[in-house]
Amino acid sequence: QSVLTQPPSASGTPGQRVTISCSGSSSNIGTNYVYWYQQLPGTAPKLLIYRNNQRPSGVPDRISGSKSGTSASLAISGLRSEDEADYYCAAWDDSLSAWVFGGGTKLTVL
Amino acid sequence: EVRLVESGGGLVKPGGSLRLSCAASGFTFRSFSMNWVRQTPGKGLEWVSSISSSSSYIYYADSVKGRFTISRDNAKNSLYLQMNSLRVEDTAVYYCARGSGQLPAADGMDVWGQGTTVTVSS
Repeated sequence: QSVLTQPPSASGTPGQRVTISCSGSSSNIGTNYVYWYQQLPGTAPKLLIYRNNQRPSGVPDRISGSKSGTSASLAISGLRSEDEADYYCAAWDDSLSAWVFGGGTKLTVL
Repeated sequence: EVRLVESGGGLVKPGGSLRLSCAASGFTFRSFSMNWVRQTPGKGLEWVSSISSSSSYIYYADSVKGRFTISRDNAKNSLYLQMNSLRVEDTAVYYCARGSGQLPAADGMDVWGQGTTVTVSS
């Protein structure tokens, strides 16, 4: 069972907006930055969002991140077929002195 | 181009040992923390270990503490993971990932290698 909780699946149709939640606690999300990763089938994870809401260069602005208290969210608007992937949230946990990941959310574009 | 290339994976019997390597290029290796993250087939990501840029701070997941040792050679731009007393449940793809700062706890992983597969089976 993962320290950070994500829904196992999410879906949307092309053009729609979808959000993926990530719930943690005061020792991780409540205190530290949240990161989001996209993993396409058969490939390594790719950084999508860093420091809660910052996008690395090359990540489109239709992808955004937010954080409130001990929860965070990833939003993807203008959904495209190429967004179909697994998405993971992560944060440093001060109590565990460890990086913790969410269990991952499989996004399906219908 | 920033690049991380893992090597050293393979098939090993339970109780055996393996040493993974990660060759870094395209950035000033000595200025960044480094991490190992693994992924069991069909499952999620699991953080394994982190090391600060100067090796002063090292962290391990409870599942590998006492069995795995992370190290780095900044002169060779390389990261290592010595895995001893391997168990069937250590079977996974192991990714090397760069931290975005000098300290593992401060900034998350921003660049990932392609992974190397470790299979522990009799």
